[in-house]
Amino acid sequence: DAGVIQSPRHEVTEMGQEVTLRCKPISGHDYLFWYRQTMMRGLELLIYFNNNVPIDDSGMPEDRFSAKMPNASFSTLKIQPSEPRDSAVYFCASRLSGGMGYTFGSGTRLTVV
Amino acid sequence: DQQVKQNSPSLSVQEGRISILNCDYTNSMFDYFLWYKKYPAEGPTFLISISSIKDKNEDGRFTVFLNKSAKHLSLHIVPSQPGDSAVYFCAASARSQGNLIFGKGTKLSVKP
Repeated sequence: DAGVIQSPRHEVTEMGQEVTLRCKPISGHDYLFWYRQTMMRGLELLIYFNNNVPIDDSGMPEDRFSAKMPNASFSTLKIQPSEPRDSAVYFCASRLSGGMGYTFGSGTRLTVV
Repeated sequence: DQQVKQNSPSLSVQEGRISILNCDYTNSMFDYFLWYKKYPAEGPTFLISISSIKDKNEDGRFTVFLNKSAKHLSLHIVPSQPGDSAVYFCAASARSQGNLIFGKGTKLSVKP
């Protein structure tokens, strides 16, 4: 199994630009999570999906952030417009229903200048 | 308001000694606790977990202790090795919910 795959690994963009982060969960996993890691806040949950349906998006910081899961094998996190304070490492994770252990991707390091 | 707190941002330990990482939680609904380990430029990886029906779980050099009355758990690593140097995240969940709540992490440095 290739694990959770995230792309790109690194993204540098200018303030005001649109940024799209991508995630492919482990095949068969029916939960998908987007987390953001910063020094100040640690690992914070942004949104999670169950069977492609968003369950809890209360962690999404602003309307500039949106996430979709059009099918069981793909999810995107979009920031539009991006701001310097969005700079962080964004992780995607997936798990099986009934299991408690998450498998994380390697993350996308986003830098907004 | 942080529901899972790791109050020590960093810890330095000599190789061969015991490392003790601490975690406190506030939500009494949490009934499952996990520790994740993270190396630079990698995603967190699962290390060990414990259910609220237990007070101890051991896996090789790693032991997690849970004190429900104090809402406190700790991870013991004995003996510590340089390869254990990483950031350790404590996480908690209520089985009725789908998500994990993470602490801010503790950076462990094991010196040879």
